[in-house]
Amino acid sequence: QITLKESGPTLVKPTQTLTLTCTFSGFSLSTSGVGVSWIRQPPGKALDWLALIFSNDDKRYSPSLRSRLTITKDTSKNQVVLTMTNMDPVDTATYYCAHSYGSGLYGMDVWGQGTTVTVSS
Amino acid sequence: DIQMTQSPSSLSASVGDRVTITCRASQSISSYLSWYQQKPGKAPKLLIYGASSLQSGVPSTFSGSGSGTDFTLTISCLQPEDFATYYCQQSFTTPHTFGQGTKVEIK
Repeated sequence: QITLKESGPTLVKPTQTLTLTCTFSGFSLSTSGVGVSWIRQPPGKALDWLALIFSNDDKRYSPSLRSRLTITKDTSKNQVVLTMTNMDPVDTATYYCAHSYGSGLYGMDVWGQGTTVTVSS
Repeated sequence: DIQMTQSPSSLSASVGDRVTITCRASQSISSYLSWYQQKPGKAPKLLIYGASSLQSGVPSTFSGSGSGTDFTLTISCLQPEDFATYYCQQSFTTPHTFGQGTKVEIK
């Protein structure tokens, strides 16, 4: 059974750097074709895809946020970490991580429960 | 970026109705299209992948069709638990963009 869980601060100040951790079980990020994505959802708004890391360490980012995002993996700890610099109140959202495989054709089949981040001074 | 446009943005329907939601991509995405259901305060749930393949455990009242740029999600017989917001997403190329969502409400 695949599970994912997001963790990190619930409140950050403007200009600070946000670090979120996705801890997973039931799969390995060393298995070919596996990926973990980050997606966010501002209150009352649509889903917004942020970043993706593959088992071969290929990393993809949203072009509009590319300069602020870094995604990394720690295969031994079964974790994926997303950092977002220069946080702003518009970054207030629920942040999700999700599992995928097969170059995206099979969708994101398992999601974490999400973690809510508020950006405020 | 590939833009995903869903229609309608919202709809009202009754239990037992047949509901159709459409999703259009700004360029061809082959069959790299997924549909998700999201209920308030919950994470999205994968319903359909590869444009028309039903995810394991999802009721057969859900179906997907289309390829290229035009896609459809159909709920053949709306159930009380189906009232939710539905999103399409393309995974043909990054960024893996989502549609703006379609909220299905009770009439």
